[in-house]
Parts: sequence; structure tokens; C-alpha cells
Amino acid sequence: NAGVTQTPKFQVLKTGQSMTLQCAQDMNHEYMSWYRQDPGMGLRLIHYSVGAGITDQGEVPNGYNVSRSTTEDFPLRLLSAAPSQTSVYFCASSYSKRDQPQHFGDGTRLSIL
Amino acid sequence: SQQGEEDPQALSIQEGENATMNCSYKTSINNLQWYRQNSGRGLVHLILIRSNEREKHSGRLRVTLDTSKKSSSLLITASRAADTASYFCATDERGGNQFYFGTGTSLTVIP
Repeated sequence: NAGVTQTPKFQVLKTGQSMTLQCAQDMNHEYMSWYRQDPGMGLRLIHYSVGAGITDQGEVPNGYNVSRSTTEDFPLRLLSAAPSQTSVYFCASSYSKRDQPQHFGDGTRLSIL
Repeated sequence: SQQGEEDPQALSIQEGENATMNCSYKTSINNLQWYRQNSGRGLVHLILIRSNEREKHSGRLRVTLDTSKKSSSLLITASRAADTASYFCATDERGGNQFYFGTGTSLTVIP
């Protein structure tokens, strides 16, 4: 059981470039989400999904796009990278949103130059 | 922002002492969860307490919840050096689909 797998672990981009952060889980979880973690800010929700084909915005969605074509995968796309998007990104999943612990990946550390 | 706040921001104690950290939140909740994050790693779930519960125990962890004050506390008893980590609370918003994390408490346990 791999749990939640995020790739890549590290990435450096130039301003204006686009990229996709990958997230996959093998636990058949319905609820998946993306967070960014910045110093002193805790974790902030970017986008989430309550099941395949259903996505919604979180607290800080601007500049990011998501899709959920399968239960297992929930990629996060940066459309045009900006230095303000330098952060550590975490993907999480749970059986459902209600009364369930979230399982986190180990994160992607992203630097935008 | 709907984020909660944790207090203190940083805590340093001697091994064997108890550590208490507090979380305040803003919305009505279904449950509140506590997570631990070791340096450079993802978050690991510790304990979940539902809105109709007031206290919950798990090993050396004790969590309390006061929904009237919108606050929770996490007590770690007989701390160990391996407890050194950041601790976050997260609230499951009632009527919504979002989780809100606190800003975290950085705990250092000195051997």
C-alpha cells in the first residue's frame, strides 16, 4: 500500500512556465484535496474533489487548475507560474469528507524564479 | 480567512514534561482533528474529536473540545524527543466541504 504519492518532490520553474503536480492514491478514497504550506500560514486549501468528475475551489484557487477523471488521480496544474506560488504543496485524501482522517503525501517543494 | 489559530506558536520543554497546545477556530464544525508534521514530511493524523464529544484520549494524547468557546487543546503527556514536530489542528466545516488548518505549534522536546 503506497498511500498518497506526490511527484515530483522538488521542482524549480521560471516565471510564466506551466507545470502539473501529480497526486495518486491507492486507497480508493473519494475525497482528495490540494494544500499549499507557507511559513507562518499553516496549510491553505487550493482545490478539492468529493469524487471522480467533481471538483471545487478552496480558499486560494487563483492560478491553479484541477481535474479528477479517476478516483485515484488528482493533478494540480499551475497555469502560468508566479514567484508568489513558491511554496510546499501537499495532496491529501480520505474515504469521505465526513469524520475521516486525511492521509497526506510527502509534498512537492516548488520554487518559482 | 477561516483559518484557526494555534497557541503557542512555539514550545520548548524537557523530555518527560507535558506539552499543551491550543487551537481556536471560527466556524461551526462537525469535528476537529489534530495532525503532526515532522520536518520535511507530510502531515500525519493523530486524533479526531467530534463536535458532540468533549474529551478524547489516545495513548499519551488527550484532546478536549469546547464548542461554545470554539477552542480545543492537545495535551501530550510524558513527552519524548521523538515528539519534536509541528502540530496542527484542522476543522471540518459544518455544512461545507472544506477543512481549515490552524497555523501550527512547533514543539521541541529537549532530551
